[in-house]
Amino acid sequence: GEDVEQSLFLSVREGDSSVINCTYTDSSSTYLYWYKQEPGAGLQLLTYIFSNMDMKQDQRLTVLLNKKDKHLSLRIADTQTGDSAIYFCAENGQNFVFGPGTRLSVLP
Amino acid sequence: NAGVTQTPKFQVLKTGQSMTLQCAQDMNHEYMSWYRQDPGMGLRLIHYSVGAGITDQGEVPNGYNVSRSTTEDFPLRLLSAAPSQTSVYFCASSRDRGQGFSNQPQHFGDGTRLSIL
Repeated sequence: GEDVEQSLFLSVREGDSSVINCTYTDSSSTYLYWYKQEPGAGLQLLTYIFSNMDMKQDQRLTVLLNKKDKHLSLRIADTQTGDSAIYFCAENGQNFVFGPGTRLSVLP
Repeated sequence: NAGVTQTPKFQVLKTGQSMTLQCAQDMNHEYMSWYRQDPGMGLRLIHYSVGAGITDQGEVPNGYNVSRSTTEDFPLRLLSAAPSQTSVYFCASSRDRGQGFSNQPQHFGDGTRLSIL
């Protein structure tokens, strides 16, 4: 079946870049999404990439897609304390499937 | 637009009690779904609906019922609460199920935090 994997934790220092990685299994996925969840809140759509693209940039966010390896990454430049949250990767293939989430901690 | 509204935000139940978690959206979305979020397990799909009058089971449907009498509302019922159902529940909606070449991100409510004692 479909599966989405992420590492569960990432710590970075304020001002550094953060890279959150994700792998997925459904080769029919046409769109891949990144969501952000702040404490006590729901999931907020951050960005997405269409499967025929290999990169998308949106201000401090850069999404890289390696469709051959089914690998997706989210890079956050100049990470701030407000970026501390859980980040979910999701694929939209046969079903909408979420990864387990990566908890990003930003250290001062 | 309010988007997706979930009520209540918090609830404590005793084992064996029943209750309904409410979800409403004002975006005229056809697709609605319920997830539960547990630590380290991401989001697991409980039930979903592709339109009024149509519901189907997701990954973890046991112990839950849903109905979809209108496009706007998609309530989730716990029939006889068990401690294993302690979780955070999220309702989400999108214009349609999104299979194929259409960009259909899901829009989430703020969640209901449910504790079963």
